[in-house]
Amino acid sequence: DTAVSQTPKYLVTQMGNDKSIKCEQNLGHDTMYWYKQDSKKFLKIMFSYNNKELIINETVPNRFSPKSPDKAHLNLHINSLELGDSAVYFCASSQRGENIQYFGAGTRLSVL
Amino acid sequence: KNEVEQSPQNLTAQEGEFITINCSYSVGISALHWLQQHPGGGIVSLFMLSSGKKKHGRLIATINIQEKHSSLHITASHPRDSAVYICAVILSGSARQLTFGSGTQLTVLP
Repeated sequence: DTAVSQTPKYLVTQMGNDKSIKCEQNLGHDTMYWYKQDSKKFLKIMFSYNNKELIINETVPNRFSPKSPDKAHLNLHINSLELGDSAVYFCASSQRGENIQYFGAGTRLSVL
Repeated sequence: KNEVEQSPQNLTAQEGEFITINCSYSVGISALHWLQQHPGGGIVSLFMLSSGKKKHGRLIATINIQEKHSSLHITASHPRDSAVYICAVILSGSARQLTFGSGTQLTVLP
């Protein structure tokens, strides 16, 4: 069983569309994260979320919003997609008291 | 300037060579991770360190908190070790969010 799973693996869409990427973890972790990896392979935190607190990196446009229906899921919604949103998005999770994070396989988003 | 600097950016080695990748950081941290990203894109956590040294198979990671420096060593390197190795830190008081270095592309030739 995959510990952290993201869907879809690939997403190709037009500028201006709204899209979602789903993330689920079956590790019982209390905190989930979204990271963006740009074309130069540089990773940057976008959000971290547990059931009490959402922490947003101030550089993330408000077109991006995380939605957590329950502790095991943290979905990423993106409105009005722009060319610069093209990247690989990684979901991860960890448990309070431990710093190790487990990553999903990534979602490659291409905005045309 | 990035808070986490890695060197070298690219490294090519012959199979069997001893490899060292370095990571320096300029801020207070609660922990440091070494991650491996395979050509297919998946990211795996290799080590999480807050002090001292850890070893797993042919991989060794060390950290010197006073010098704000960590190294990842690979002994008896093999072509399957070819990947991007990423240093990432958890900034003190940052709710476990990772701040990443730019990665080191390692290619091990047979």
